[in-house]
Amino acid sequence: GNSVTQMEGPVTLSEEAFLTINCTYTATGYPSLFWYVQYPGEGLQLLLKATKADDKGSNKGFEATYRKETTSFHLEKGSVQVSDSAVYFCALRSTGANNLFFGTGTRLTVIP
Amino acid sequence: KAGVTQTPRYLIKTRGQQVTLSCSPISGHRSVSWYQQTPGQGLQFLFEYFSETQRNKGNFPGRFSGRQFSNSRSEMNVSTLELGDSALYLCASSLAQVAYNEQFFGPGTRLTVL
Repeated sequence: GNSVTQMEGPVTLSEEAFLTINCTYTATGYPSLFWYVQYPGEGLQLLLKATKADDKGSNKGFEATYRKETTSFHLEKGSVQVSDSAVYFCALRSTGANNLFFGTGTRLTVIP
Repeated sequence: KAGVTQTPRYLIKTRGQQVTLSCSPISGHRSVSWYQQTPGQGLQFLFEYFSETQRNKGNFPGRFSGRQFSNSRSEMNVSTLELGDSALYLCASSLAQVAYNEQFFGPGTRLTVL
């Protein structure tokens, strides 16, 4: 079946620190992989995506590489800001389906 | 371009009642999906509608139902509410039912069941 395992939070970092949030997946076929971000009181926003192996998704300084050999899609950012404080969700969408399978979410707090 | 809108934003009901939530997708989007978000279970897929037909369904009891209208607007209904139905209900729209299409999420409806 399809599932996403995401690093447990919460994660607290100082401003300008390096961020890694681990995500691994189990899927049939060749899924597309996503990172979504949820700010307080809001819905989900797509942060980045990758649709095939070795693709790198990037946006707003965040990056994640689709690693088929390790079934991973870890999120990284070189220098976090206070405004990056949010909950981050890793998700997959399997081949031929439109629904998303989400990880449990990782709450990130960045302190000045 | 207006985003996905959901109404109402907040709702309080009591056990045994029923509730209807509404979702208006982005103009031109024909696929609407619904998700339930709870602290315990996380984000779970409820169902997807495309061209007024339910195309996919998650693992929820029959008390959860939905429909889509010809203008792509969608409603979901929960009957005989239980305390455990308290959640944030998110709607997402996409252009078509194609795996690579991005899903755009609305702000959600927060349902509290007392």
